[in-house]
Amino acid sequence: AQRVTQPEKLLSVFKGAPVELKCNYSYSGSPELFWYVQYSRQRLQLLLRHISRESIKGFTADLNKGETSFHLKKPFAQEEDSAMYYCALETSGSRLTFGEGTQLTVNP
Amino acid sequence: GAVVSQHPSWVICKSGTSVKIECRSLDFQATTMFWYRQFPKQSLMLMATSNEGSKATYEQGVEKDKFLINHASLTLSTLTVTSAHPEDSSFYICSASSLEQYFGPGTRLTVT
Repeated sequence: AQRVTQPEKLLSVFKGAPVELKCNYSYSGSPELFWYVQYSRQRLQLLLRHISRESIKGFTADLNKGETSFHLKKPFAQEEDSAMYYCALETSGSRLTFGEGTQLTVNP
Repeated sequence: GAVVSQHPSWVICKSGTSVKIECRSLDFQATTMFWYRQFPKQSLMLMATSNEGSKATYEQGVEKDKFLINHASLTLSTLTVTSAHPEDSSFYICSASSLEQYFGPGTRLTVT
């Protein structure tokens, strides 16, 4: 069965510091991975997906099939990046399996 | 962007009663909608896939007779929790699929 692991429940960094949110997955098929973000009192929204290979709000994520990882990175964290981040794996029928989430806090 | 609404945003019901939650895609049509459940401080767990005009597909371990899903149109899916019990208390979130999944704001269900 597929599985998504986010080892850090909480992550705290200072403004301007680099940030990396870790995500590892296990899946027998060809993985399609996403990062979703949930700001305080807002709904879940898509941040980025690996197939688009784009940078959103300064965040990037690279799929490493050898390490089965899809870590989210940003070189200079901003206070407005504070949010809950979920890594998700898409399987057949567009079904999503979510990781446990990482609460990122960016301190001033 | 695409907007998904849920109604009600919160509901309290007595044990043994049924409660219906609506999920609507406001500005797009969605042949597929998904229902998730989220426990406090935990992740979203997919409960079922709702397809317009056909039966829902439930994930392993989800009781289809307890969580009735109806996808009556391309913009509306409903989740009915039947004979609710306190352990059904949770946060229920729907999403509608159109190139990507757009999530609703969630419905807080409390069963007393």
